[in-house]
Amino acid sequence: VQLVESGGGLVHPGGSLRLSCTASGFTFDSYTMSWVRQAPGKGLEWVSGISGSGTIKYYADSVKGRFTISRDNSRNTLYLQMNSLRVEDTAKYYCAKVKGYNYAADPLDIWGRGTMLTVSS
Amino acid sequence: AIQLTQSPSSLSASVGDRVTITCRASQGISSALAWYQEKPGKAPKLLICDASSLESGVPSRFSGSGSGTDFTLTISSLQPEDFATYYCQQFKTYPHIFGQGTRLEIK
Repeated sequence: VQLVESGGGLVHPGGSLRLSCTASGFTFDSYTMSWVRQAPGKGLEWVSGISGSGTIKYYADSVKGRFTISRDNSRNTLYLQMNSLRVEDTAKYYCAKVKGYNYAADPLDIWGRGTMLTVSS
Repeated sequence: AIQLTQSPSSLSASVGDRVTITCRASQGISSALAWYQEKPGKAPKLLICDASSLESGVPSRFSGSGSGTDFTLTISSLQPEDFATYYCQQFKTYPHIFGQGTRLEIK
């Protein structure tokens, strides 16, 4: 079971970026997936989640209206489209799998290694 | 949104000590609480789910308890590899908020 994030980088304030997370070793479309971030020297912040089918999406207030989570189950890939980026969005972004099969209300049992986003002018 | 308050924010202890970290929810979450361990440069690791269920492979010196609004993570006898940062997370309702974290340091 593995999750590998990609797509991080340096972006100017107001810019956009899309993160990807490729999954392997489990039935991807049967699990809710989440994005969690960690700003440098700070704690974990849950960002967004999406049901296995992709029809139900959840967002933290801090990113609502700016970030869009999606998934392509045919490619076993999770995405996070980030628009109107702010300096405070600078963080390592982790992709994580919810533990329960076909269950959204569960903790995160598998995590990727993260991809770093820096928002700076 | 449900908020979680973790305490202490940092803790110094010695190998062999028993330590307890607390997590308080702003409203009742039944047993929908998880604990994670984070080490520098590594992804967080799920230790305990459903407030008290130890994940497979997690040493039995780790234990969790509580329900409703008050929860604890206890490490019965600290080992060198336990010095890390610990987070609680509620998964009762979205957003699945994390606590602020507790940094456990060697005394």
